Amino acid sequence: DTAVSQTPKYLVTQMGNDKSIKCEQNLGHDTMYWYKQDSKKFLKIMFSYNNKELIINETVPNRFSPKSPDKAHLNLHINSLELGDSAVYFCASSHVTGGTGELFFGEGSRLTVL
Amino acid sequence: AQSVTQLDSQVPVFEEAPVELRCNYSSSVSVYLFWYVQYPNQGLQLLLKYLSGSTLVESINGFEAEFNKSQTSFHLRKPSVHISDTAEYFCAVFGRTGNQFYFGTGTSLTVIP
Repeated sequence: DTAVSQTPKYLVTQMGNDKSIKCEQNLGHDTMYWYKQDSKKFLKIMFSYNNKELIINETVPNRFSPKSPDKAHLNLHINSLELGDSAVYFCASSHVTGGTGELFFGEGSRLTVL
Repeated sequence: AQSVTQLDSQVPVFEEAPVELRCNYSSSVSVYLFWYVQYPNQGLQLLLKYLSGSTLVESINGFEAEFNKSQTSFHLRKPSVHISDTAEYFCAVFGRTGNQFYFGTGTSLTVIP
């Protein structure tokens, strides 16, 4: 039973399109994250939600909009895709309040913008 | 705030040789320390972690890391590497009073047959 699952695993799309990535965790964690990993493998945090509230919102274009309908889900919607958005996007979750913050990652969603 | 520095971006090493991947951090608060591994075309997996207690922590596949508070380091070592250890390794810290992970820039370990 997958702890953090994200879909789809691969997206190939044209510039200007809109796409969404979904993420679900069944670990009972209170915090969820979106990370972007570029071609050099650098991991950059994009957003973090704690109990459905946005707590980290790094410098990310406002074309990226996260949504957390409940504690177990954090989706990422991207408008007007650009070439530079091509990357692997990782969802993660952790138990922050009273926990160690250890991150559990999904398998990643590889986005290719043509 | 915290920060993490991984001093080596790429480490090539021959099979069965020892390896050390270096990690230094800075923090004004106590931290938890982690090493994550990312095998090719996969997500990140926890390799080992230091929370408290013994400063030497081990993984199930032979890696170990030692928390050195005075040098603010958490270097990862393995006495004899295998081809299957080829991967990207990330050091990370989590401030005990905060809510954010800080990752290093990663070290690409390549094991040469």
